[in-house]
Amino acid sequence: GPKVLQIPSHQIIDMGQMVTLNCDPVSNHLYFYWYKQILGQQMEFLVNFYNGKVMEKSKLFKDQFSVERPDGSYFTLKIQPTALEDSAVYFCASSGGHQNTLYFGAGTRLSVL
Amino acid sequence: GQQVQQSPASLVLQEGENAELQCNFSTSLNSMQWFYQRPGGSLVSLFYNPSGTKHSGRLTSTTVIKERRSSLHISSSQTTDSGTYLCALERGNNRIFFGDGTQLVVKP
Repeated sequence: GPKVLQIPSHQIIDMGQMVTLNCDPVSNHLYFYWYKQILGQQMEFLVNFYNGKVMEKSKLFKDQFSVERPDGSYFTLKIQPTALEDSAVYFCASSGGHQNTLYFGAGTRLSVL
Repeated sequence: GQQVQQSPASLVLQEGENAELQCNFSTSLNSMQWFYQRPGGSLVSLFYNPSGTKHSGRLTSTTVIKERRSSLHISSSQTTDSGTYLCALERGNNRIFFGDGTQLVVKP
């Protein structure tokens, strides 16, 4: 079936550094999402993105977070600077449109030391 | 408040038993989707089911919008069914809310 690829699968960084998480969504998909999941806890919405713009973001989407999809390439989540509480698995998802099936990547496990 | 509530929180079965997982939502919805999250973390879409009943192998999903609920039935459970089952609700603004999940353990 359709695949969403996330790179890297694991990332370990020191607190205060910048990190960029990359997502290669399903080809021709138009809607993109980032979710955050702390181990054993709920999948939490961060942001959704359509037509080059952020549509909605949650309270978890701090000022240190930003998303973009330059020139139709990777959909990225950048955190600058990182904090200890940013340690989690970040999942990217994409869908073909409103009321379409959501496809998830395998996640990037971020560890902030 | 919690817009999507799943029950039970956890469930332990013997192989071959059936399971019924519930998802209740407090708001109107545009769609309902069920996911399986592997112990390693990745999510697999099981059903996109905004209303009615859908079948896939040993799995059946039923969404009743008027009653604001959706269920996932697993028949003849297998040890490989172990993992977390998540339901997700999409509202009109394309925002998708997840429940806390049901942790299923199927013992041999």
